Order: sequence, then C-alpha cells, then structure tokens
Amino acid sequence: DTAVSQTPKYLVTQMGNDKSIKCEQNLGHDTMYWYKQDSKKFLKIMFSYNNKELIINETVPNRFSPKSPDKAHLNLHINSLELGDSAVYFCATLGDFQETQYFGPGTRLLVL
Amino acid sequence: DAKTTQPTSMDCAEGRAANLPCNHSTISGNEYVYWYRQIHSQGPQYIIHGLKNNETNEMASLIITEDRKSSTLILPHATLRDTAVYYCIVRVEVETSGSRLTFGEGTQLTVNP
Repeated sequence: DTAVSQTPKYLVTQMGNDKSIKCEQNLGHDTMYWYKQDSKKFLKIMFSYNNKELIINETVPNRFSPKSPDKAHLNLHINSLELGDSAVYFCATLGDFQETQYFGPGTRLLVL
Repeated sequence: DAKTTQPTSMDCAEGRAANLPCNHSTISGNEYVYWYRQIHSQGPQYIIHGLKNNETNEMASLIITEDRKSSTLILPHATLRDTAVYYCIVRVEVETSGSRLTFGEGTQLTVNP
C-alpha cells in the first residue's frame, strides 16, 4: 500500500474553474502538508495541518482552501483557477522521528 | 532557518562514490542538517540527517565538519537510480506541529554509466 497517495495524478483544466486535489495517508501521522513546486522546480510549503487543525498557512491566495475531514486526509480545493496555479502539488506527512517527511507522488496541475 | 549553498550540478560514474557538499556557515548550535532527494517526477524522499556526529544508514553517510559549517552527503556506490536533485536543509527542532522544510535549489546529481 502506498503510504501517501494523491488523486488525481494529472489535472488539466480551464482558467476560472474550481478543482480539488485529494491526499490520503495510511501512516497514522498527525501532521500533513501541502507543497507547491513551480516550473523552476522550487518547492514551497503552502499549508500544514495537525490533527485536522490548521497550523501553517503561508502567503497563499484565499482561492486555495485546505480541508481535513479526518486525520488521514488533507484535501486542497482551488477556486477560480489561474494560469499561475499551474504546478506540481505535493502532499506530505510528518513522521514521529525528527522531521522526516513523507511525500506523495504529486499532482500535476495545468491551467489553460 | 540557516541558508545552505550547494553546487548546481555534479556528475558521478556508476559504481563510484558520490560526494555532495553543502555549506551552511550560519548554522546555529541547535540546527540539524537534513538531506532529501527528488528523483524526476517523484516526491522528495528523506535520506539522512544529523546534528554534530557523522551518521550512516542504508542509503548514505553524512559527514559534518567539526565547526558544523559544512557537510557532505556520501553515496558510497552510486547507481543510475541515484540520479536526482539532492537538497541540503538545515533547521531547528521545534514542536512537530509547526515544523516545516525550506527547500533550496539543490544539486542535480547525474550518475553516468
């Protein structure tokens, strides 16, 4: 079983649409993250949740709204998609042992 | 978190040791050195971390200088599958709920046959 899974793997959509990306983990970890990796390959943290509570919220537009229905899931909903939202989005969890983060395979979002 | 400096790219022959350097001259006493790698089209993968002492695991060895201002990640017998971007990150241990990793540009390691 995949430890951290994301769906969909690829997402192509039009500007202005609303879309969601789902993340699920079976590691039992309390903390989950969303990262964005842009075309220049810089990987930046967007949000983190600990036990369904928002902990970190970087300067991300309000169009991005994470939702954690339970400890095993952290979904990312994006409203009014823009061209600049095109990127690879990674979900990650934080292990119990000193900052070891486990990343999902990524969701490649292309906004046309 | 302390800033790190890594070479943009490196090459290594298959089967040889790959030594990836990282400078972190402003590291504080309570900051750890972490290494992650990202193989093309995959999520980053944890490799190893350390504070002061040298560390070794099944993937790699981490050598930290005595003044802790630099470190080297060693892949003892590089394979083609080790081709990836390698990130050196330094950060302080905090309450886990507030932890974050700040990724730099990393080093693109290419292992050649």
